[in-house]
Amino acid sequence: AQRVTQPEKLLSVFKGAPVELKCNYSYSGSPELFWYVQYSRQRLQLLLRHISRESIKGFTADLNKGETSFHLKKPFAQEEDSAMYYCALPSGGYQKVTFGTGTKLQVIP
Amino acid sequence: NAGVTQTPKFQVLKTGQSMTLQCAQDMNHNSMYWYRQDPGMGLRLIYYSASEGTTDKGEVPNGYNVSRLNKREFSLRLESAAPSQTSVYFCASSEGDRALHYNSPLHFGNGTRLTVT
Repeated sequence: AQRVTQPEKLLSVFKGAPVELKCNYSYSGSPELFWYVQYSRQRLQLLLRHISRESIKGFTADLNKGETSFHLKKPFAQEEDSAMYYCALPSGGYQKVTFGTGTKLQVIP
Repeated sequence: NAGVTQTPKFQVLKTGQSMTLQCAQDMNHNSMYWYRQDPGMGLRLIYYSASEGTTDKGEVPNGYNVSRLNKREFSLRLESAAPSQTSVYFCASSEGDRALHYNSPLHFGNGTRLTVT
């Protein structure tokens, strides 16, 4: 069965420090992974998807099939990055999406 | 263009009461979902509807029923609420067309905060 693991419930970093939010997955097929973000009092929204290979708000994520990981990275954290981040894995076919348990990023000024 | 709209925003129920959470999307999406969000457990899929006229169970369907009323609307019903159903409920939709938009991203509503006492 597919599974998404986000090992850290809370990650605190100082402003300007690098950020890495970890995501590991278990999936038998060829995965397509997403990162979603939920800012305080806002709805969940897509941050980025690996097939786009784009950088959104300075964040990037690389799919590492060997390590089955899709870690989210940003070189210099900003206070506005403080939010809840979820890694997500669609199963394919019927769009059944499995989410990780989420990591709360706290950027300390 | 409102996106995904959920009602109500807040609700308090007593054990055994019933209620229906409403969700509507105006993006002409094929697929719709209901998730619950609990601390430390992330988002867990309750039910989903890949297309109009179909519904399927997710990870945690017990105690819930759904209706895909039409392409726009997907409701979630709690027939006999229990304290374990205290949670934040999110509705989401996606284009969901396997041929054209395989694994298209989810668009979420603002959530319904439900408390069962």
